[in-house]
Amino acid sequence: GQQVMQIPQYQHVQEGEDFTTYCNSSTTLSNIQWYKQRPGGHPVFLIQLVKSGEVKKQKRLTFQFGEAKKNSSLHITATQTTDVGTYFCAGHSFGNEKLTFGTGTRLTIIP
Amino acid sequence: EAQVTQNPRYLITVTGKKLTVTCSQNMNHEYMSWYRQDPGLGLRQIYYSMNVEVTDKGDVPEGYKVSRKEKRNFPLILESPSPNQTSLYFCASSPRTRRGGYTFGSGTRLTVV
Repeated sequence: GQQVMQIPQYQHVQEGEDFTTYCNSSTTLSNIQWYKQRPGGHPVFLIQLVKSGEVKKQKRLTFQFGEAKKNSSLHITATQTTDVGTYFCAGHSFGNEKLTFGTGTRLTIIP
Repeated sequence: EAQVTQNPRYLITVTGKKLTVTCSQNMNHEYMSWYRQDPGLGLRQIYYSMNVEVTDKGDVPEGYKVSRKEKRNFPLILESPSPNQTSLYFCASSPRTRRGGYTFGSGTRLTVV
């Protein structure tokens, strides 16, 4: 079945440093979504990418969808303490109604 | 307020005692889904439903049942809970498959002893 892996599993950064998490799917995806889960909270939808090579920005967050639609990345510029949490990617394979989540990257910020 | 409501938030039960976790959404979403979250394993889909009376298995359906008799409700049923079903459960909904992000409920932390 479809598998979605994320690396790294954990990332500790100094406040103000940049952060990147990578998402890789075993199958070609029709879309990729990103979610953020604060400690003790529930996942919150951030964005969806659909097109090959698509890049979208939300303030300090930059999301990319790979040309082959099998990988994606989330980059945060100049991290802040409010960025703490676990970031998940999730995607649908073509012809599959299931949304499969990645394993997540847990970001902690050192003030 | 648009939301997905799960109940209960916390539940401790004994092995074999049937339980139901309720999920309701007020956004008229067609698509609803249940996930369980375990450390190191991320979110794994249990069951999903694309509309009323339409349900299908996710990646880890064993030991669970669901029903979708009304659009707004999607309860998760554990007929005979076992300790390996101790987990954090999330219900989620979206307006259409693949075209909208999921809105998640606040979660139900289940412990089976």
